[in-house]
Amino acid sequence: AQSVTQLDSHVSVSEGTPVLLRCNYSSSYSPSLFWYVQHPNKGLQLLLKYTSAATLVKGINGFEAEFKKSETSFHLTKPSAHMSDAAEYFCVVSEAGGYQKVTFGIGTKLQVIP
Amino acid sequence: DGGITQSPKYLFRKEGQNVTLSCEQNLNHDAMYWYRQDPGQGLRLIYYSQIVNDFQKGDIAEGYSVSREKKESFPLTVTSAQKNPTAFYLCASTPLPTNYGYTFGSGTRLTVV
Repeated sequence: AQSVTQLDSHVSVSEGTPVLLRCNYSSSYSPSLFWYVQHPNKGLQLLLKYTSAATLVKGINGFEAEFKKSETSFHLTKPSAHMSDAAEYFCVVSEAGGYQKVTFGIGTKLQVIP
Repeated sequence: DGGITQSPKYLFRKEGQNVTLSCEQNLNHDAMYWYRQDPGQGLRLIYYSQIVNDFQKGDIAEGYSVSREKKESFPLTVTSAQKNPTAFYLCASTPLPTNYGYTFGSGTRLTVV
């Protein structure tokens, strides 16, 4: 069985300060891990993905995430928040094999304060 | 430009009505998915299809139906049997294997009136 836990439902940061969105996962197999971003009333956009290559993954808009197998974590970071980063972020785990079951976290809403 | 088109953006349904949500992709992706999004619950899988004329139930298929007559199209019908259909519906597609990540449409917000 697989699962994903986003540790914070809401995160608030000041513009120009670092962003940390936390994600832990559980998987019986070597997982693929993703972060998506969703702006209000929009679809989800892929930020970055980990698929067993480099453990530090760089994505779009200055975001990056580090896969830590020993900690079963895949936290999303950005050095300096911008107002346009205010959105909801989803951590996703996917197992290989057959249907390739995909599990979404419940989301973290990021607020950026000017 | 390649992508996924969902229509309509907003849809209102009366009690007892069936409604159909459209999803079309021009990415030549094999697999297509329907998700339902409710506040605080993340995304839940309704149906998915990996090839034409074949589809599988997801975690919350009751009250929904789909078809996959063409690779590009994966419409979702919300039937009167779905007791709480008010939600945001998202269609997604991906080439296989799915570890490339999904491409999502912009969603349809369905409201029961």
